[in-house]
Amino acid sequence: GEDVEQSLFLSVREGDSSVINCTYTDSSSTYLYWYKQEPGAGLQLLTYIFSNMDMKQDQRLTVLLNKKDKHLSLRIADTQTGDSAIYFCAESISNNDMRFGAGTRLTVKP
Amino acid sequence: DAGVIQSPRHEVTEMGQEVTLRCKPISGHDYLFWYRQTMMRGLELLIYFNNNVPIDDSGMPEDRFSAKMPNASFSTLKIQPSEPRDSAVYFCASSSAGTGRKNTEAFFGQGTRLTVV
Repeated sequence: GEDVEQSLFLSVREGDSSVINCTYTDSSSTYLYWYKQEPGAGLQLLTYIFSNMDMKQDQRLTVLLNKKDKHLSLRIADTQTGDSAIYFCAESISNNDMRFGAGTRLTVKP
Repeated sequence: DAGVIQSPRHEVTEMGQEVTLRCKPISGHDYLFWYRQTMMRGLELLIYFNNNVPIDDSGMPEDRFSAKMPNASFSTLKIQPSEPRDSAVYFCASSSAGTGRKNTEAFFGQGTRLTVV
């Protein structure tokens, strides 16, 4: 398809792991990104992965990339209430365009 | 650098009025992007500029929307006439050397929340 697809909502309990999934569109995408948007704020880059990697870990964050299925996931370990936000998956495609998913709204319940 | 600066932060206007959104990118960045965010459609790229030149405006929804970048430090997104369905948060972002090469992060402004009544 032409759209970067994500589930719109995810709810987890504090302390659990969160997994946000994304399907992207362009198998030639060089970089894949996760952006975080906190309430009332702009988007900030959370982490990224280069297309020749399968996994990237950064403290509580783990990014998994399955190029064959064009599937990207973000795992947040020990999710905290401060992790509540909208998470956007994005891909950079060959013409310098950046394509975003619709965003997954993560709600962390105490 | 103060980051990408957008103004106003909030805009409420009546249907049919002209609306102008403003953006100051990060100094030295040669790419500037305008996005629209709605609950129904998520984040959509409207248009982007490279070195002040519009490169791809295929995301601009209608002729009522226009964007300009008269110099490297300023861009506007204009809606004329505005309609209630234009209500959304409009984000401006800037980056250097595009987003397709190396790790060039796009930096976003705080957004302008537009409400057309």
